[in-house]
Amino acid sequence: ELKVEQNPLFLSMQEGKNYTIYCNYSTTSDRLYWYRQDPGKSLESLFVLLSNGAVKQEGRLMASLDTKARLSTLHITAAVHDLSATYFCAVEGGKLIFGQGTELSVKP
Amino acid sequence: DAMVIQNPRYQVTQFGKPVTLSCSQTLNHNVMYWYQQKSSQAPKLLFHYYDKDFNNEADTPDNFQSRRPNTSFCFLDIRSPGLGDAAMYLCATSRVGLWDTQYFGPGTRLTVL
Repeated sequence: ELKVEQNPLFLSMQEGKNYTIYCNYSTTSDRLYWYRQDPGKSLESLFVLLSNGAVKQEGRLMASLDTKARLSTLHITAAVHDLSATYFCAVEGGKLIFGQGTELSVKP
Repeated sequence: DAMVIQNPRYQVTQFGKPVTLSCSQTLNHNVMYWYQQKSSQAPKLLFHYYDKDFNNEADTPDNFQSRRPNTSFCFLDIRSPGLGDAAMYLCATSRVGLWDTQYFGPGTRLTVL
């Protein structure tokens, strides 16, 4: 059974700092997704990573995928308050299997 | 704009009173999904339709049913809501298959009194 684990589950950052969220998954998969969810809102697709070594960047967020290590990272550069949200990774395994989510809080 | 629409955005029902949640899409996607998301948890897939083919998750309670009368619409029926069914219900669509990027609607927040 495919399992997806994120860490940390809670992250409090200061504005301007860098940090990385990790997403580990237990069995081979060809696709990994990152979603953002604001409190009380739906999920917004951020990135789709399709192959080993894939790297995608949007603004202050950069996602990468290492299929051999079964690891994806979401790197945050120079965090700003607007990035405060919960971030989910999800892996395709017959259906989307979500990680537990990382609740990010960026403080001034 | 092509999108996934859910109605209502907020639904309050009484314990045991049937409720129907609605989802429509203008993306012309083949696959439609219903997820349940409880507070501080990841979304949990309840079922999905690939065109007219219904696929139920093994652990979805019988209390939850779904209908897809046409490509654009999909409904979630909760026959006898319990307090434990209070959650955000998310509808999503994907173009071709379960491996394709899923686009989520805004969700319906269900409260059970």
